[in-house]
Amino acid sequence: QQQVKQSPQSLIVQKGGISIINCAYENTAFDYFPWYQQFPGKGPALLIAIRPDVSEKKEGRFTISFNKSAKQFSLHIMDSQPGDSATYFCAAALSGGYNKLIFGAGTRLAVHP
Amino acid sequence: GAGVSQSPSNKVTEKGKDVELRCDPISGHTALYWYRQSLGQGLEFLIYFQGNSAPDKSGLPSDRFSAERTGGSVSTLTIQRTQQEDSAVYLCASSQGPSYEQYFGPGTRLTVT
Repeated sequence: QQQVKQSPQSLIVQKGGISIINCAYENTAFDYFPWYQQFPGKGPALLIAIRPDVSEKKEGRFTISFNKSAKQFSLHIMDSQPGDSATYFCAAALSGGYNKLIFGAGTRLAVHP
Repeated sequence: GAGVSQSPSNKVTEKGKDVELRCDPISGHTALYWYRQSLGQGLEFLIYFQGNSAPDKSGLPSDRFSAERTGGSVSTLTIQRTQQEDSAVYLCASSQGPSYEQYFGPGTRLTVT
Protein backbone atom coordinates (compact mmCIF):
# COMPACT_ATOMS: atom_id res chain seq x y z
CA GLN A 1 0.00 0.00 0.00
CA GLN A 2 2.97 2.27 0.43
CA GLN A 3 4.19 1.83 -3.13
CA VAL A 4 4.06 4.22 -6.03
CA LYS A 5 4.35 2.44 -9.37
CA GLN A 6 5.87 4.42 -12.22
CA SER A 7 5.99 3.67 -15.93
CA PRO A 8 7.64 3.51 -18.36
CA GLN A 9 11.12 2.82 -17.06
CA SER A 10 12.61 4.65 -20.04
CA LEU A 11 11.21 6.84 -22.78
CA ILE A 12 12.56 8.19 -26.04
CA VAL A 13 10.80 11.15 -27.63
CA GLN A 14 11.60 13.28 -30.62
CA LYS A 15 12.14 16.99 -30.14
CA GLY A 16 8.80 18.78 -30.17
CA GLY A 17 6.88 15.68 -29.14
CA ILE A 18 4.87 14.99 -26.00
CA SER A 19 6.43 12.97 -23.18
CA ILE A 20 4.00 11.14 -20.92
CA ILE A 21 4.96 9.42 -17.68
CA ASN A 22 2.43 7.60 -15.54
CA CYS A 23 2.19 6.77 -11.86
CA ALA A 24 -0.26 4.75 -9.81
CA TYR A 25 -0.77 4.44 -6.08
CA GLU A 26 -2.87 2.39 -3.68
CA ASN A 27 -2.95 4.35 -0.44
CA THR A 28 -5.86 6.80 -0.46
CA ALA A 29 -4.24 8.64 2.46
CA PHE A 30 -1.70 10.16 0.06
CA ASP A 31 -2.55 13.83 -0.37
CA TYR A 32 0.43 15.42 -2.07
CA PHE A 33 1.87 14.33 -5.42
CA PRO A 34 5.07 16.01 -6.62
CA TRP A 35 7.21 15.33 -9.65
CA TYR A 36 10.97 15.66 -9.47
CA GLN A 37 13.52 16.06 -12.27
CA GLN A 38 17.03 14.75 -11.78
CA PHE A 39 20.06 15.34 -13.98
CA PRO A 40 23.11 13.07 -13.69
CA GLY A 41 25.21 13.90 -10.64
CA LYS A 42 22.60 16.26 -9.22
CA GLY A 43 19.94 15.97 -6.58
CA PRO A 44 16.28 15.83 -7.62
CA ALA A 45 14.63 19.20 -8.23
CA LEU A 46 10.94 19.81 -7.67
CA LEU A 47 9.22 20.31 -11.02
CA ILE A 48 5.52 20.54 -10.26
CA ALA A 49 3.15 19.21 -7.62
CA ILE A 50 -0.57 18.64 -7.20
CA ARG A 51 -3.02 17.90 -4.42
CA PRO A 52 -6.05 15.65 -4.93
CA ASP A 53 -8.61 18.44 -4.88
CA VAL A 54 -7.73 19.39 -8.48
CA SER A 55 -7.62 17.23 -11.60
CA GLU A 56 -4.99 19.14 -13.53
CA LYS A 57 -2.17 21.59 -12.95
CA LYS A 58 -0.12 23.26 -15.63
CA GLU A 59 3.17 25.12 -15.35
CA GLY A 60 4.66 26.13 -18.66
CA ARG A 61 5.23 23.01 -20.75
CA PHE A 62 4.64 20.69 -17.78
CA THR A 63 1.18 19.41 -16.83
CA ILE A 64 0.07 17.01 -14.11
CA SER A 65 -3.16 15.15 -14.72
CA PHE A 66 -4.70 13.56 -11.64
CA ASN A 67 -7.42 10.89 -11.56
CA LYS A 68 -8.46 10.38 -7.95
CA SER A 69 -10.94 7.57 -8.63
CA ALA A 70 -8.36 5.58 -10.60
CA LYS A 71 -5.57 6.49 -8.16
CA GLN A 72 -3.37 7.53 -11.03
CA PHE A 73 -1.50 10.66 -12.00
CA SER A 74 0.67 11.53 -14.93
CA LEU A 75 3.20 14.07 -16.12
CA HIS A 76 2.93 15.49 -19.62
CA ILE A 77 5.82 17.42 -21.12
CA MET A 78 4.67 19.35 -24.15
CA ASP A 79 7.05 20.39 -26.95
CA SER A 80 9.78 18.20 -25.42
CA GLN A 81 13.32 19.57 -25.79
CA PRO A 82 16.73 17.87 -25.60
CA GLY A 83 17.34 19.83 -22.38
CA ASP A 84 14.43 17.93 -20.83
CA SER A 85 16.48 14.72 -21.03
CA ALA A 86 16.72 13.61 -17.42
CA THR A 87 15.26 11.11 -14.97
CA TYR A 88 11.81 11.95 -13.69
CA PHE A 89 10.41 10.69 -10.41
CA CYS A 90 6.84 10.83 -9.23
CA ALA A 91 6.20 10.75 -5.53
CA ALA A 92 3.39 10.76 -3.02
CA ALA A 93 3.20 11.92 0.55
CA LEU A 94 1.06 10.65 3.36
CA SER A 95 -1.20 13.01 5.21
CA GLY A 96 -0.20 13.54 8.80
CA GLY A 97 1.68 16.77 8.95
CA TYR A 98 4.91 16.18 7.10
CA ASN A 99 5.88 15.19 3.59
CA LYS A 100 7.45 11.76 3.91
CA LEU A 101 7.84 11.20 0.19
CA ILE A 102 7.30 7.76 -1.31
CA PHE A 103 9.00 7.74 -4.70
CA GLY A 104 8.37 5.86 -7.89
CA ALA A 105 11.31 4.04 -9.48
CA GLY A 106 11.94 6.77 -12.02
CA THR A 107 11.69 7.23 -15.78
CA ARG A 108 14.74 8.00 -17.85
CA LEU A 109 13.67 10.39 -20.61
CA ALA A 110 15.77 10.99 -23.71
CA VAL A 111 14.64 13.68 -26.12
CA HIS A 112 16.32 13.33 -29.49
CA PRO A 113 16.90 16.37 -31.69
CA GLY B 1 20.39 32.00 -1.44
CA ALA B 2 22.52 28.92 -0.93
CA GLY B 3 20.91 25.56 -1.46
CA VAL B 4 21.28 22.33 0.48
CA SER B 5 24.89 21.26 0.62
CA GLN B 6 26.29 17.83 1.38
CA SER B 7 29.76 16.56 2.07
CA PRO B 8 31.69 14.71 1.00
CA SER B 9 30.43 14.47 -2.56
CA ASN B 10 32.07 11.07 -2.93
CA LYS B 11 33.22 8.60 -0.29
CA VAL B 12 34.97 5.30 -0.87
CA THR B 13 35.39 3.14 2.19
CA GLU B 14 36.35 -0.38 3.05
CA LYS B 15 33.79 -2.85 4.29
CA GLY B 16 33.54 -2.71 8.07
CA LYS B 17 34.58 0.93 8.43
CA ASP B 18 32.33 3.67 9.82
CA VAL B 19 31.37 6.69 7.72
CA GLU B 20 29.79 10.05 8.46
CA LEU B 21 27.83 11.99 5.88
CA ARG B 22 27.02 15.65 6.44
CA CYS B 23 24.10 17.79 5.37
CA ASP B 24 23.80 21.58 5.61
CA PRO B 25 20.17 22.53 4.98
CA ILE B 26 18.90 25.79 3.60
CA SER B 27 19.09 28.43 6.32
CA GLY B 28 15.83 28.69 8.25
CA HIS B 29 14.48 25.34 7.10
CA THR B 30 13.17 23.48 10.11
CA ALA B 31 12.45 20.13 8.46
CA LEU B 32 15.24 17.88 7.20
CA TYR B 33 15.04 14.51 5.46
CA TRP B 34 17.51 11.82 4.48
CA TYR B 35 16.88 9.54 1.51
CA ARG B 36 18.91 6.79 -0.13
CA GLN B 37 19.08 6.23 -3.89
CA SER B 38 20.48 2.90 -4.98
CA LEU B 39 21.71 2.43 -8.54
CA GLY B 40 18.81 2.64 -10.97
CA GLN B 41 16.28 2.84 -8.17
CA GLY B 42 13.97 5.46 -6.80
CA LEU B 43 14.61 7.29 -3.59
CA GLU B 44 14.04 5.51 -0.29
CA PHE B 45 13.07 7.53 2.79
CA LEU B 46 15.41 7.07 5.75
CA ILE B 47 14.64 9.63 8.47
CA TYR B 48 12.86 12.92 9.11
CA PHE B 49 13.91 15.67 11.52
CA GLN B 50 11.78 18.51 12.77
CA GLY B 51 14.19 20.81 14.56
CA ASN B 52 16.59 18.57 16.43
CA SER B 53 14.16 15.74 17.05
CA ALA B 54 13.52 12.80 14.74
CA PRO B 55 9.86 11.82 14.97
CA ASP B 56 10.20 9.36 12.10
CA LYS B 57 13.18 7.02 11.88
CA SER B 58 11.18 4.27 10.24
CA GLY B 59 13.27 4.13 7.07
CA LEU B 60 16.63 3.43 8.68
CA PRO B 61 17.51 -0.03 7.33
CA SER B 62 19.32 -1.35 10.39
CA ASP B 63 20.77 -0.33 13.73
CA ARG B 64 24.06 0.35 11.95
CA PHE B 65 22.45 3.54 10.67
CA SER B 66 21.95 6.57 12.88
CA ALA B 67 21.49 10.28 12.38
CA GLU B 68 21.52 13.39 14.46
CA ARG B 69 20.82 17.05 13.96
CA THR B 70 22.26 19.81 16.08
CA GLY B 71 21.23 23.43 16.51
CA GLY B 72 18.29 22.84 14.22
CA SER B 73 20.68 23.00 11.31
CA VAL B 74 23.46 20.58 10.31
CA SER B 75 22.69 16.88 10.24
CA THR B 76 25.02 13.91 10.21
CA LEU B 77 24.13 10.44 8.98
CA THR B 78 26.43 7.77 10.39
CA ILE B 79 26.78 4.27 9.05
CA GLN B 80 28.70 1.88 11.25
CA ARG B 81 30.45 -1.26 10.04
CA THR B 82 29.64 -0.50 6.42
CA GLN B 83 28.55 -3.31 4.11
CA GLN B 84 28.66 -3.47 0.32
CA GLU B 85 24.88 -3.18 0.15
CA ASP B 86 25.21 0.26 1.76
CA SER B 87 26.71 1.55 -1.51
CA ALA B 88 24.31 4.20 -2.81
CA VAL B 89 23.78 7.92 -3.16
CA TYR B 90 22.61 9.45 0.11
CA LEU B 91 20.47 12.52 -0.42
CA CYS B 92 19.46 15.14 2.07
CA ALA B 93 16.50 17.46 1.64
CA SER B 94 15.18 20.35 3.68
CA SER B 95 11.96 22.28 3.75
CA GLN B 96 10.67 25.45 5.34
CA GLY B 97 8.32 23.42 7.48
CA PRO B 98 7.07 19.85 7.64
CA SER B 99 4.42 20.27 4.98
CA TYR B 100 6.37 22.46 2.61
CA GLU B 101 8.24 21.62 -0.58
CA GLN B 102 11.49 19.72 -0.16
CA TYR B 103 14.73 20.92 -1.70
CA PHE B 104 17.41 18.33 -2.27
CA GLY B 105 21.16 18.52 -2.01
CA PRO B 106 23.49 17.00 -4.61
CA GLY B 107 24.00 13.85 -2.57
CA THR B 108 26.97 11.86 -1.30
CA ARG B 109 27.94 8.87 -3.41
CA LEU B 110 29.09 6.14 -1.02
CA THR B 111 31.02 3.18 -2.36
CA VAL B 112 31.87 0.33 -0.01
CA THR B 113 34.64 -1.92 -1.33
